[in-house]
Amino acid sequence: AQSVAQPEDQVNVAEGNPLTVKCTYSVSGNPYLFWYVQYPNRGLQFLLKYITGDNLVKGSYGFEAEFNKSQTSFHLKKPSALVSDSALYFCAVRDPFSGNTPLVFGKGTRLSVIA
Amino acid sequence: DTEVTQTPKHLVMGMTNKKSLKCEQHMGHRAMYWYKQKAKKPPELMFVYSYEKLSINESVPSRFSPECPNSSLLNLHLHALQPEDSALYLCASSPGLAEGEWWEQFFGPGTRLTVL
Repeated sequence: AQSVAQPEDQVNVAEGNPLTVKCTYSVSGNPYLFWYVQYPNRGLQFLLKYITGDNLVKGSYGFEAEFNKSQTSFHLKKPSALVSDSALYFCAVRDPFSGNTPLVFGKGTRLSVIA
Repeated sequence: DTEVTQTPKHLVMGMTNKKSLKCEQHMGHRAMYWYKQKAKKPPELMFVYSYEKLSINESVPSRFSPECPNSSLLNLHLHALQPEDSALYLCASSPGLAEGEWWEQFFGPGTRLTVL
C-alpha cells in the first residue's frame, strides 16, 4: 500500500526567511512524488514532481523539493518566503507499479507567511 | 486555454433534490476526474474517466452518478444526498492515463455543496 505523511498541520515563517514543508512517503518500490498548492476557494495547482533522475527538482513560483530515498522524504523548500505563498500544501505519492491506482494525497500543511 | 471550469460555484440542496455539477475543459485532455474534499482534509478520488469511459470508481455510493457526454465535459449527477455529503467537489483533467500523461492534473476551482 502507498501512503504519504505530512507531519505538520501548520507552518509559520517570516517573509524573506527560508521555508520547508515536510513530507514522508511509503511505497513498495520507487515512488512518483508530487506537490500541489491550494489557495483559498480554489482548486489545487501543480507545483512540481519527482519521477526519476536528479534528486533536487525545481518547480513553479521558486519552489523546489529534494527526494531523499534513504529517509523516504520529499520536503518542499523555498529560499525566501513571500506572503503570497500562504496557502495549503499537499504532498502526493503514487507507486508506479500499482496499476491504475490514483494519487494518494497527504492531509495537507497550512503555510502562513507573516510580513 | 489551460483552465478547468466548474459550475455552479455554490450549491445548496435538500436531501430529496436532484442536481448536477458540471465541469468543462478545452485543453484536449482525455482523462477527467471527480474528487471530494471535506474541510481541512485532502482530496479523495471518486471517479476517473478516460476517453469518455469510466475507468475508476472508488466505491462511491450510487447517489453520485458521473457522466462524460464528450471529451470536454464531465457531469456529476446528485440524487438523495445526505448532509455528510456536503463538501467541495473538485474536477480535474490530465492529458490521459498513460505513463507521463497523468503526472500533472489540472484542477477546477470546485463546487461547494451543502446538503440540508
